[in-house]
Amino acid sequence: AQTVTQSQPEMSVQEAETVTLSCTYDTSESNYYLFWYKQPPSRQMILVIRQEAYKQQNATENRFSVNFQKAAKSFSLKISDSQLGDTAMYFCAFMTLAGKLIFGQGTTLQVKP
Amino acid sequence: NAGVTQTPKFRILKIGQSMTLQCTQDMNHNYMYWYRQDPGMGLKLIYYSVGAGITDKGEVPNGYNVSRSTTEDFPLRLELAAPSQTSVYFCASSSRIANQPQHFGDGTRLSIL
Repeated sequence: AQTVTQSQPEMSVQEAETVTLSCTYDTSESNYYLFWYKQPPSRQMILVIRQEAYKQQNATENRFSVNFQKAAKSFSLKISDSQLGDTAMYFCAFMTLAGKLIFGQGTTLQVKP
Repeated sequence: NAGVTQTPKFRILKIGQSMTLQCTQDMNHNYMYWYRQDPGMGLKLIYYSVGAGITDKGEVPNGYNVSRSTTEDFPLRLELAAPSQTSVYFCASSSRIANQPQHFGDGTRLSIL
């Protein structure tokens, strides 16, 4: 069975600094998809970034980038130039080819002014 | 665009009561999903559907039922509400599996007392 582990329940960062959120996963599949979702206090689930496992290049979306290490089954999220609006819970998620999305436990990120 | 709409937003049930959580999407997505999110935790898949008339169990299906008679609607039924079903429920949809992200509704907060 696939599992997703986020080992950092809470993190904080000063505004304008860089922070990295960790995620590891376990699967026997060779092709799959990985996502980071943001959940602010409003409870909405907002897609931050996605990565196809067959792509070597790390995905980037503006201030958000990932470090995808397929052999190590690691998928960390780096947030550069942190903003107050980045304060939220962040979930790493693994999607099987059958369409099932498995979430990690989440990391609460606090951006301090 | 409305996207994914869930009703109601909040509900309190007594133990043993039944209710249906409604979910509808206007994006003509084939795939629809129901998740539950317990406090401080990630989302867990309850049921999903790959098209009208087709449903399948996720990680935590016990105590729930679903149906998919149309592409747009995917209701979730609780037959005998139990305190363990107190949670926030999210409905999501996507155009297909693989690399397309899921679009989430705003959630239904359900308390069973």
